[in-house]
Amino acid sequence: AQRVTQPEKLLSVFKGAPVELKCNYSYSGSPELFWYVQYSRQRLQLLLRHISRESIKGFTADLNKGETSFHLKKPFAQEEDSAMYYCALLRSGGGADGLTFGKGTHLIIQP
Amino acid sequence: NAGVTQTPKFQVLKTGQSMTLQCAQDMNHNSMYWYRQDPGMGLRLIYYSASEGTTDKGEVPNGYNVSRLNKREFSLRLESAAPSQTSVYFCASSVYQAFFGQGTRLTVV
Repeated sequence: AQRVTQPEKLLSVFKGAPVELKCNYSYSGSPELFWYVQYSRQRLQLLLRHISRESIKGFTADLNKGETSFHLKKPFAQEEDSAMYYCALLRSGGGADGLTFGKGTHLIIQP
Repeated sequence: NAGVTQTPKFQVLKTGQSMTLQCAQDMNHNSMYWYRQDPGMGLRLIYYSASEGTTDKGEVPNGYNVSRLNKREFSLRLESAAPSQTSVYFCASSVYQAFFGQGTRLTVV
């Protein structure tokens, strides 16, 4: 079975500092990886997905198959980045039981 | 485009009461999910449904039942609410990317 691990429950950085939210996964096939964000008292929404290789709100994430990681990075944190971030994996072939979320990292950006 | 709609947004129950959380999606997705979100615990999967008429247990199914009424609707029922079920509940649907409802904040006193 697939697994997603986010080792940090809480990450606090100062405004303007670099941010890296860690995500590791275990899956023997070729997964799709996603980052979701949840701002205070709002619904979760997709931030970015590895397949599109895009930068959203200054965030990027690179899939490293050798290290089975999909860390989320931003060079200069902003206060509006404070939120819960969830890493998710969709196994090849999909299916309802193919979607797995990590436990989330609460990112706090201090002024 | 409504996406995923949950009702109600807020609910307070007394211990032992029952209630049903409703969820509907208009994106023609086969897969639907119910999660609970608790501080420090992240998202935990309660039940999921791969298609109309099928449901499966997730990580924390005890105390809950679900019904996949049709392709659009997936309801979550608490038969006898307990204080441990105080949480924020999210419904989601997906075919690739997951779409979430706005959440139901449930308090059991």
